[in-house]
Amino acid sequence: NAGVTQTPKFQVLKTGQSMTLQCAQDMNHEYMSWYRQDPGMGLRLIHYSVGAGITDQGEVPNGYNVSRSTTEDFPLRLLSAAPSQTSVYFCASGPGQGITEAFFGQGTRLTVV
Amino acid sequence: AQKITQTQPGMFVQEKEAVTLDCTYDTSDQSYGLFWYKQPSSGEMIFLIYQGSYDEQNATEGRYSLNFQKARKSANLVISASQLGDSAMYFCAMRGFNQGGKLIFGQGTELSVKP
Repeated sequence: NAGVTQTPKFQVLKTGQSMTLQCAQDMNHEYMSWYRQDPGMGLRLIHYSVGAGITDQGEVPNGYNVSRSTTEDFPLRLLSAAPSQTSVYFCASGPGQGITEAFFGQGTRLTVV
Repeated sequence: AQKITQTQPGMFVQEKEAVTLDCTYDTSDQSYGLFWYKQPSSGEMIFLIYQGSYDEQNATEGRYSLNFQKARKSANLVISASQLGDSAMYFCAMRGFNQGGKLIFGQGTELSVKP
C-alpha cells in the first residue's frame, strides 16, 4: 500500500504565485486533513474533510483553499503565495469509525521568496 | 476548545535509561483520544501510541507506554530503555470522538539520547 502520498516534496514559489499541493490516499479513509508545521509551533490544522464533498476550516485557513471531489484526493491550493506561508505541509487521513490514529504523508517543504 | 500543552521544549536522556515526556490537555469532550507521534530528523510523522478516554488501562506498545491520568488531564509518554534512534521530536495530540480529521497538536519536545 502506498498510504498517503504528497507531491511535490519541495517547492519554491515567488510571492503572488499560486500552486496546488497534491494529497492522495489509497486506504479508503473518510477523513483527510492538511496541517502546516512551523518551528516551535507544532502542527496546526489548515483545513479538513470528513468525506467527499464536505470540507471545513481548521485553525489557520486564511490563504488556502481545499476541495474534496473524491474519497482519495484532497488538494490544497495556495491562492497568492506569501512569505508567511513558508512552512512544511503535511496531509493526513484516517478512517471514519471510532478514534484511530491519523496516517501522514511525507510532507512538502514550501519556500515563498 | 481543545488544547494540548507540552512544557518541555528539549530533554536529554542517557542511553538505556527511561524518560518521561509530559503532555497535559484540555477538552470539554466526554469521549476523546490521545496520541503520540515521533518526528525524526528526516521529517516524517510516525505514530507511536494511542489512549482512549474510556480506556481503564494505560496503553503500551513495546518500549512505549502512555501514563494516562484522566483527573489530572495528563497523558505522558514513557520510553523505557532509551536508544540512540529515539532522538527526535515528539508530539502529543488529541482528537474528539466526533471530530474526525481534527487532530490538535502540542508544540513538541525534542529528545536527545546520549551514548
